[in-house]
Amino acid sequence: NAGVTQTPKFQVLKTGQSMTLQCAQDMNHNSMYWYRQDPGMGLRLIYYSASEGTTDKGEVPNGYNVSRLNKREFSLRLESAAPSQTSVYFCASSAGQLSNQPQHFGDGTRLSIL
Amino acid sequence: GENVEQHPSTLSVQEGDSAVIKCTYSDSASNYFPWYKQELGKRPQLIIDIRSNVGEKKDQRIAVTLNKTAKHFSLHITETQPEDSAVYFCAASTSGTYKYIFGTGTRLKVLA
Repeated sequence: NAGVTQTPKFQVLKTGQSMTLQCAQDMNHNSMYWYRQDPGMGLRLIYYSASEGTTDKGEVPNGYNVSRLNKREFSLRLESAAPSQTSVYFCASSAGQLSNQPQHFGDGTRLSIL
Repeated sequence: GENVEQHPSTLSVQEGDSAVIKCTYSDSASNYFPWYKQELGKRPQLIIDIRSNVGEKKDQRIAVTLNKTAKHFSLHITETQPEDSAVYFCAASTSGTYKYIFGTGTRLKVLA
């Protein structure tokens, strides 16, 4: 049982390039999330998807777009990468019932923008 | 907006001693409070959680307490071991919002 799988694990981009971070979960979870983690700032929510077909902005959505492709997959796209987007990106999923459930995280994508 | 404050940012304890990490939340509607442990270079992993209808929960050497009136909750680790060294994050969420607000983390160092 793989849980939450993120690809790629590492990526280096030049300013202005675009790329898509992929995330897939095999736990039949309804909700999926994208976070960025920067030193001393904890985990900050970029976008989330409460269920297939819906997406909503989190705390720091500027410069990002997302797609909930199906129940399993939730991708994050950087259209024009900037050095300020250098970070570790984590995808997470949860059963997402009304009472809220624990989030399960992927291994992260370490992204550097030069 | 919603906020979760976490203290201290770093904590060093001797092996065998206890460690306490405290979090304060701002949204009085918050009703689910998980704690995550993140080892260096790894993913955050859930270690314990508590819901607002419970005041305390224990799991072996780990316990969490919740004070709804004061809007704060704490993680207690007893008999600390070197493998407890990691960054610990608290979080708060509210039913139906699907959003989790994380604290900024506590780096725990257990000295052998």
